[in-house]
Amino acid sequence: ETGVTQSPTHLIKTRGQQVTLRCSSQSGHNTVSWYQQALGQGPQFIFQYYREEENGRGNFPPRFSGLQFPNYSSELNVNALELDDSALYLCASSRPTGTGELFFGEGSRLTVL
Amino acid sequence: AQSVAQPEDQVNVAEGNPLTVKCTYSVSGNPYLFWYVQYPNRGLQFLLKYITGDNLVKGSYGFEAEFNKSQTSFHLKKPSALVSDSALYFCAVQDTGFQKLVFGTGTRLLVSP
Repeated sequence: ETGVTQSPTHLIKTRGQQVTLRCSSQSGHNTVSWYQQALGQGPQFIFQYYREEENGRGNFPPRFSGLQFPNYSSELNVNALELDDSALYLCASSRPTGTGELFFGEGSRLTVL
Repeated sequence: AQSVAQPEDQVNVAEGNPLTVKCTYSVSGNPYLFWYVQYPNRGLQFLLKYITGDNLVKGSYGFEAEFNKSQTSFHLKKPSALVSDSALYFCAVQDTGFQKLVFGTGTRLLVSP
């Protein structure tokens, strides 16, 4: 176990709705990253938060947004859901140093109907 | 931009035989390379990383990887495969400047009894 927890584990939404996914990072990790893993694909970087500030963003539209809280937990929000947003959303926490590995949670599987 | 390629969608090997999962990379500067494993309906687990130093890197569960700069490769290896090694394996490279990982498309390893 990595110590990174995500909720909910599964959820179903319809097109146009909004969703919030949550992540608690491993103790001592102040950097949280979010990845989207579509079926049969490798994870794609969405964004990263460091000390409550966005610290880098992948090629995702603004309807994907996030927050990091003072305890380093994080949320991923997706507005105006589209069918293609159906995926496994992975949260990963890491230590402050730049060459460390990422510790992933088990993911939140989102299905958009 | 940093990238990795995993040329095989699936690798089949008999239990007890050696296994190799291939990865090639394209980076500017020194590569920071990683291998992760994903079991069904789970998040990614870190196996090993190459930052600098010895070209042969040892990791978790008896896995190792060989960094080859001239061939721009970072192949994952294990001397004797187990049925429980059957999973999805991802090669990744760290993007320049911060802790973003760029993943390959993954290779499914199937170890038969």
